[in-house]
Amino acid sequence: QSVLTQPPSVSAAPGQKVTISCSGSSSKIGNNYVSWYQQLPGTAPKLLIYDNNKRPSGIPDRFSGSKSGTSATLGITGLQTGDEADYYCGTWDSSLSAGVFGGGTKLTVL
Amino acid sequence: EVQLLESGGGLVQPEGSLRLSCAASGFTFNTYAMSWVRQAPGKGLEWVSCISHSGDITYYADSVKGRFTISRDNSNNTLYLQMNSLRAEDTAVYHCAKGPYGGWFDPWGQGTLVTVSS
Repeated sequence: QSVLTQPPSVSAAPGQKVTISCSGSSSKIGNNYVSWYQQLPGTAPKLLIYDNNKRPSGIPDRFSGSKSGTSATLGITGLQTGDEADYYCGTWDSSLSAGVFGGGTKLTVL
Repeated sequence: EVQLLESGGGLVQPEGSLRLSCAASGFTFNTYAMSWVRQAPGKGLEWVSCISHSGDITYYADSVKGRFTISRDNSNNTLYLQMNSLRAEDTAVYHCAKGPYGGWFDPWGQGTLVTVSS
């Protein structure tokens, strides 16, 4: 059982928009920055969003992040078949000095 | 280009030991914290351990505390994970990652597979 809760799967058609939620306690998400990672099949996780809503260089603006209270959301617009992957939220719990991740969400682009 | 290359994985018997290495290049290694994150087959990500840039501060997940030891050699840009008293539930791909930096991990190495089985 993961510390952060994500839906196991989401799906949408190409060109559509999808959101993936990530919920946790105030000591996890509430008081810390959230990051999001994309893991394409057979590859290492890749940072998509950091500090709740910032995109690293090279990440298209189709990907967005937000946080409110003890929940965070990853949004992906203009879905492409190449976006099919597992998506993980994560944070550094500064009170426990430990990294924590969500259980992951499998995105299917129908 | 930042690169992280793990090695040292393999098949080990329960209660056995293994030492993983992560060779880093493309950035000033001795100025960043580093971490190990594992992923059991078909499962999600689990943070394992991290070490400060200088190596004097370390943190561990409860699941590995007392059995695993993280260390680093800044003169050789290498991160290590000494794993003792291995259990079947330690079977996973072990990724090294740069960070946490402000709470995130970037980039990640491709990982090395550790299989604990008799």
